[in-house]
Amino acid sequence: SQQGEEDPQALSIQEGENATMNCSYKTSINNLQWYRQNSGRGLVHLILIRSNEREKHSGRLRVTLDTSKKSSSLLITASRAADTASYFCATETSGTYKYIFGTGTRLKVLA
Amino acid sequence: EAGVVQSPRYKIIEKKQPVAFWCNPISGHNTLYWYRQNLGQGPELLIRYENEEAVDDSQLPKDRFSAERLKGVDSTLKIQPAELGDSAVYLCASSLRGTGGNEQFFGPGTRLTVL
Repeated sequence: SQQGEEDPQALSIQEGENATMNCSYKTSINNLQWYRQNSGRGLVHLILIRSNEREKHSGRLRVTLDTSKKSSSLLITASRAADTASYFCATETSGTYKYIFGTGTRLKVLA
Repeated sequence: EAGVVQSPRYKIIEKKQPVAFWCNPISGHNTLYWYRQNLGQGPELLIRYENEEAVDDSQLPKDRFSAERLKGVDSTLKIQPAELGDSAVYLCASSLRGTGGNEQFFGPGTRLTVL
């Protein structure tokens, strides 16, 4: 069974707008990672945030983590058509080191 | 540097037939993962290897699925016999280590269709 639930399931925005997607999980984690998947390149790692971190940036990506609410958000600023893809969060469960992926958010950026 | 290599990319078989998938991880990566991804869902872990040892196979349906990673390098995942519900994309990934938040590098996957 998958642990992560992502919201929204699908998102459609105009190029240049910001996109925000959320991930909720159920158990204690060591870290949380975000991945992108599109038909051209498969699953690609975007960013990792550890359980003792609250915010992290990488280029146009900003990730936040709230362990008290067991949730994370991924913000993509100034979106581009090339950002069109599915985005998955993956949590590393404390103790087991097992990675559990969420159900994904399908992002479509319209040119 | 070569990425994770998987073969075949596509496979169509009839139910009850056997099928095997092969994965070659990135050189030097000790940890290898097999995932199954159903349409519209995220990947689900089937088995994780640390070198040649399967350290987590709790979600591998052992009645019909088997895997091996001889010599701690490449790996094979087998299904025998295949069922209609096994249709999915089978992804292989590798990382330097399985703990400590290491990035996983994914292969392109094998899309299996069981008729």
